[in-house]
Amino acid sequence: KAGVTQTPRYLIKTRGQQVTLSCSPISGHRSVSWYQQTPGQGLQFLFEYFSETQRNKGNFPGRFSGRQFSNSRSEMNVSTLELGDSALYLCASSLLTGGASEAFFGQGTRLTVV
Amino acid sequence: AQSVAQPEDQVNVAEGNPLTVKCTYSVSGNPYLFWYVQYPNRGLQFLLKYITGDNLVKGSYGFEAEFNKSQTSFHLKKPSALVSDSALYFCAVRDEGAGSYQLTFGKGTKLSVIP
Repeated sequence: KAGVTQTPRYLIKTRGQQVTLSCSPISGHRSVSWYQQTPGQGLQFLFEYFSETQRNKGNFPGRFSGRQFSNSRSEMNVSTLELGDSALYLCASSLLTGGASEAFFGQGTRLTVV
Repeated sequence: AQSVAQPEDQVNVAEGNPLTVKCTYSVSGNPYLFWYVQYPNRGLQFLLKYITGDNLVKGSYGFEAEFNKSQTSFHLKKPSALVSDSALYFCAVRDEGAGSYQLTFGKGTKLSVIP
């Protein structure tokens, strides 16, 4: 069974630009979550989607948004990029939403903002 | 609010010795607890979880973790460390009572196994 696939693996963007990251969950998984990982802040929850609905959102500005498609694939978008947005963005999928379901992570997209 | 503390930024252990990576948590309801491992330039890999039942949970690659409700701890253990266990380890919690969907992670503990 294929794992969680994130594309692209690496991105370099300029301040002020916007970026879209993509995540394909494990087949059959309907929940997709996004996390930002930085050396200073560690792993921080961005948002979770289940059946195309956003279930929960972390404490990030409105520049960070996401969506989920009917095939459970998800995208996250960051507009008006800032230097501080440089991070590893991790996507995770779960069979169910919340509760006892463990999340399976992709390898991440490393975003560098210059 | 839910939170996780990993009190040690780094743990060094000799190959073949037992290892422990510490984790304490805070939730308002019952906790769902997880351990993940991260190798350089990779995503997080699920090791094990505690949901309910037996306090000793066994997971992948010989790892186990002990849930202690009175001490609100969920320490990760392995009887005999391997050099290949060297990685970054994260403890995470989800609060069943809060109906929370998000995982809250600790800051991570870097494990170095010395040959």
